[in-house]
This record gives sequence, structure tokens and C-alpha cells, in this order.
Amino acid sequence: DAMVIQNPRYQVTQFGKPVTLSCSQTLNHNVMYWYQQKSSQAPKLLFHYYDKDFNNEADTPDNFQSRRPNTSFCFLDIRSPGLGDAAMYLCATSGTGTGVSPLHFGNGTRLTVT
Amino acid sequence: AQSVAQPEDQVNVAEGNPLTVKCTYSVSGNPYLFWYVQYPNRGLQFLLKYITGDNLVKGSYGFEAEFNKSQTSFHLKKPSALVSDSALYFCAVRDGGDYGQNFVFGPGTRLSVLP
Repeated sequence: DAMVIQNPRYQVTQFGKPVTLSCSQTLNHNVMYWYQQKSSQAPKLLFHYYDKDFNNEADTPDNFQSRRPNTSFCFLDIRSPGLGDAAMYLCATSGTGTGVSPLHFGNGTRLTVT
Repeated sequence: AQSVAQPEDQVNVAEGNPLTVKCTYSVSGNPYLFWYVQYPNRGLQFLLKYITGDNLVKGSYGFEAEFNKSQTSFHLKKPSALVSDSALYFCAVRDGGDYGQNFVFGPGTRLSVLP
């Protein structure tokens, strides 16, 4: 089945130690998103890629970066994680063909900062 | 700017009874409306969407939603709740933009189905 895969499912990092979360997709969607979700709240969009075009949300901290080396993969880099960055990070994709595509989510990576 | 409200933080229903999870929205232009479900430590799973056409939309796992333009509502319903339906439910709206960059999620409603 076509899907969005996030690795790892659980990540523990130390305060200030850089960490990278990964996302891959087999849906061949040209848009990929990164969301942050805390404590069962609504997901908060950090940024997205439309093909290779990077779109940052205005309130996303500089501490968060992203890379998309090809259509299938997207990475979230947190340069210096703080305790407040502990959250579930969700990757999603959507298509831009005919019709209105919903967002397709991966199962997330739960980040713990010690 | 578009917005979504889910007026109930928590909904409790007995197994076998009908359930409703409420959602109201505000958007300029025609709305695209979605429902997602989230189980513990999992991502959001798409249930159904309304784009145009019939006001009653059927989705996965026996869920349906009723679009009401005059009340700007898109309530999620199921005729007979299962314990396994217990989860967090998010309503979402996007405007008619090119793609999903304008998705706005509601705050979520936790559904508990009691045996």
C-alpha cells in the first residue's frame, strides 16, 4: 500500500544535541509537510515543500530546518533541541492533481528531550 | 482567515448508541471540509471529506458527516458507536487554494465510547 513512513517512531535526544527526523512517501505526492503536535492539541504546521520550493511558516523557530533531497524523502532537523521541543512530529503529503487531495499522514515521531 | 471550532472537548457515548461530534467552520468562499481520527501514538487518519455535492458524506468505518451551509457546520456522525471508535477527532477546513497549504485544524474532540 502507498503510504507515508516516518522514522524513528520514538527519538530521545539530549538538550542542545542536534537531531534529524525522517519521512518517506510512496504516494508520489509533490507536497510534503511537517507538523508539530503537543499534548493531543491540533497539529501546528512548521513548513512545507511544494516540489523543491520550501515554504516556512512565519512563526516557526529558526531552530527548525528541513531538507527535501528528492520527491520521496523529507527531513526535519532540529539544530539545538530545547525541552519545549518535546512533541509528536508528523509528516504529511498531498497531491495537486485533479480533485481535492486530503493530507496523508505518517504515524509520527515522538521526540523526547532530556 | 479560515477557522474551525469543535465546541466539545470530550464526548462520551455508550456502545451501540449513535454518536455526533460537532464542527463549525468559517471560511471565505467555498469550503473544503475534512474529518480525521487519531489513535494514541499514531498519525492522523483521514475519514472523509466534503468538496461539493450531496450534503451527507459517507466515509471510512461507518462514519458520515452532514454539511450544513446555513449553519456553517460539518458534524461527524455514526449510527452505532463501537468501543474501538474511542479516539481523538479533528475537523479541518481548507480554502480553495491550489493545494493543502491552508489546512486549518480544529482543537480536537476526544470521543470515549463506554462498553
